Amino acid sequence: AQSVTQPDIHITVSEGASLELRCNYSYGATPYLFWYVQSPGQGLQLLLKYFSGDTLVQGIKGFEAEFKRSQSSFNLRKPSVHWSDAAEYFCAVVGSGNTGKLIFGQGTTLQVKP
Amino acid sequence: DTAVSQTPKYLVTQMGNDKSIKCEQNLGHDTMYWYKQDSKKFLKIMFSYNNKELIINETVPNRFSPKSPDKAHLNLHINSLELGDSAVYFCASSQDPSVKEQFFGPGTRLTVL
Repeated sequence: AQSVTQPDIHITVSEGASLELRCNYSYGATPYLFWYVQSPGQGLQLLLKYFSGDTLVQGIKGFEAEFKRSQSSFNLRKPSVHWSDAAEYFCAVVGSGNTGKLIFGQGTTLQVKP
Repeated sequence: DTAVSQTPKYLVTQMGNDKSIKCEQNLGHDTMYWYKQDSKKFLKIMFSYNNKELIINETVPNRFSPKSPDKAHLNLHINSLELGDSAVYFCASSQDPSVKEQFFGPGTRLTVL
């Protein structure tokens, strides 16, 4: 069965520092992968997605992610974090079958220190 | 313009009551979804409709019944509410099941007392 693991439940970084949030997936075929962000009390906003092609994908708000098939990973990065980036981050993969069902990781809470 | 909207945003009710959450999308999408986010922020699919037809029905108590009066609406009705139903419920939509990108609503925080 497909699954997504985000090993870091909580991460704290200083404003201006670089960020990497880890995501590992379990999927037999080529996965469709996403990163979503959830600000406090808000819905989910799509940051970026990977379907095929270039393994380094650019997203909104200065985020990027790299798909590494050999490591079954899709880590999210940002070179310089802003205080407004403090939020919950979710990695997701589309499940098998043509239903569009998203399988989410447990989420990583990002705290930004001034 | 709100793409995916949900009402109400907050819902507080007593155990045993019946309540509904409404979802509407103005994106012209064919597929709509309900997800549940529990107290640990874990998100899980509940249902999905494509063109008013049920295509995903995860292991959810039959007290939960989705209803899709048309492609733009997917409502969630919950009977005999229990304490464990307290969660945030998110509606989402996509163009169709093969188009993987989903757009999420703002969520409805349900609190059962």
